[in-house]
Amino acid sequence: DAGITQSPRHKVTETGTPVTLRCHQTENHRYMYWYRQDPGHGLRLIHYSYGVKDTDKGEVSDGYSVSRSKTEDFLLTLESATSSQTSVYFCAISESNSGPYGYTFGSGTRLTVV
Amino acid sequence: QKEVEQDPGPLSVPEGAIVSLNCTYSNSAFQYFMWYRQYSRKGPELLMYTYSSGNKEDGRFTAQVDKSSKYISLFIRDSQPSDSATYLCAMKKSSGDKLTFGTGTRLAVRP
Repeated sequence: DAGITQSPRHKVTETGTPVTLRCHQTENHRYMYWYRQDPGHGLRLIHYSYGVKDTDKGEVSDGYSVSRSKTEDFLLTLESATSSQTSVYFCAISESNSGPYGYTFGSGTRLTVV
Repeated sequence: QKEVEQDPGPLSVPEGAIVSLNCTYSNSAFQYFMWYRQYSRKGPELLMYTYSSGNKEDGRFTAQVDKSSKYISLFIRDSQPSDSATYLCAMKKSSGDKLTFGTGTRLAVRP
């Protein structure tokens, strides 16, 4: 996963607490994405960014917010964590959203809400 | 109904077998088709992509798209234990669109 780093790799938190996950890239890619991956649901888009301070919602954005103040960093915040947000969270980056450009994924953050 | 359907498996085959992994989709607007491989506790990595219909080959891997049937396939020849992973299909409609993923098929290649 050269060029994209997620932190922390694992986290256990209590219900009702805020949690922030960080995605850091060194590729200078414009597009960044946050996904969650759950059995039976696959990868679901939470939020994405198409530039500094430019973000938009994905299909499962309720309870999540994001911020992108620098090209290299994309933060995902769970405002008040719930057990249903226990999941593996992946960040992805893309050079372009035109043509056959795929995404490069980070190694994931395994979040457990107890 | 999901836009992209993929059999979750698991699929278990002996080493050396030919593996066929498939996805169906409902939206005829999809134009770009990709296959990702995901090892346990790792992020997905892009394996192959194709544009529109046709075949594309890369070593032991062949990606096939049949837009008339809304069906895509990934074939793995001479499968190896190192191919054991979850394979996800992904597709997007056009420029500016985001990828839509299948749920993934878990493959196990037995030595």
